[in-house]
Amino acid sequence: RKEVEQDPGPFNVPEGATVAFNCTYSNSASQSFFWYRQDCRKEPKLLMSVYSSGNEDGRFTAQLNRASQYISLLIRDSKLSDSATYLCVVNQGGKLIFGQGTELSVKP
Amino acid sequence: DVKVTQSSRYLVKRTGEKVFLECVQDMDHENMFWYRQDPGLGLRLIYFSYDVKMKEKGDIPEGYSVSREKKERFSLILESASTNQTSMYLCASSSSTGGGYGYTFGSGTRLTVV
Repeated sequence: RKEVEQDPGPFNVPEGATVAFNCTYSNSASQSFFWYRQDCRKEPKLLMSVYSSGNEDGRFTAQLNRASQYISLLIRDSKLSDSATYLCVVNQGGKLIFGQGTELSVKP
Repeated sequence: DVKVTQSSRYLVKRTGEKVFLECVQDMDHENMFWYRQDPGLGLRLIYFSYDVKMKEKGDIPEGYSVSREKKERFSLILESASTNQTSMYLCASSSSTGGGYGYTFGSGTRLTVV
């Protein structure tokens, strides 16, 4: 079983749609959690950290359920510029473990 | 802004060559990491370092070594390049060993071994 598993992609959605990404992790001792965004042929960039209380940054909402070892990312009112690969990331003892990523394509 | 700089964007090397990939960060971060990224496999950790002269193996260290003589510089060495080491190599740094901070990545080196 992979340490971090994400929904398979790609997700193809129209502009304005709401899209949700899910992720599960296997190590209950994981300490912190993130969503990264990676554009084609570019490096991953931190999108947001994920907290148990849930956190929101504009159109983006992240949730963490430690009991279920489950992380989610919700994007509301999708924009063309949201097209990218979204990586679920878990911190284990200072090392980041990456999911394979879910590709999002937002169409006009 | 934290900057992580990788010396080359694109590199083509021959099988059997010794290859050096350089990474420099300018924010006095203690921790530095080397990953490779391949389609369908995601990012995999090769080596990491929490301090000068210190190095730890990641998940796929075979065929690689590293050097950290100065805090700001972390080099990845392919002792004898092989075609299965053709990949995107990403360096990252962070300021925390176990806390809630993410990494900052360099822009990557796309290595082709022919």
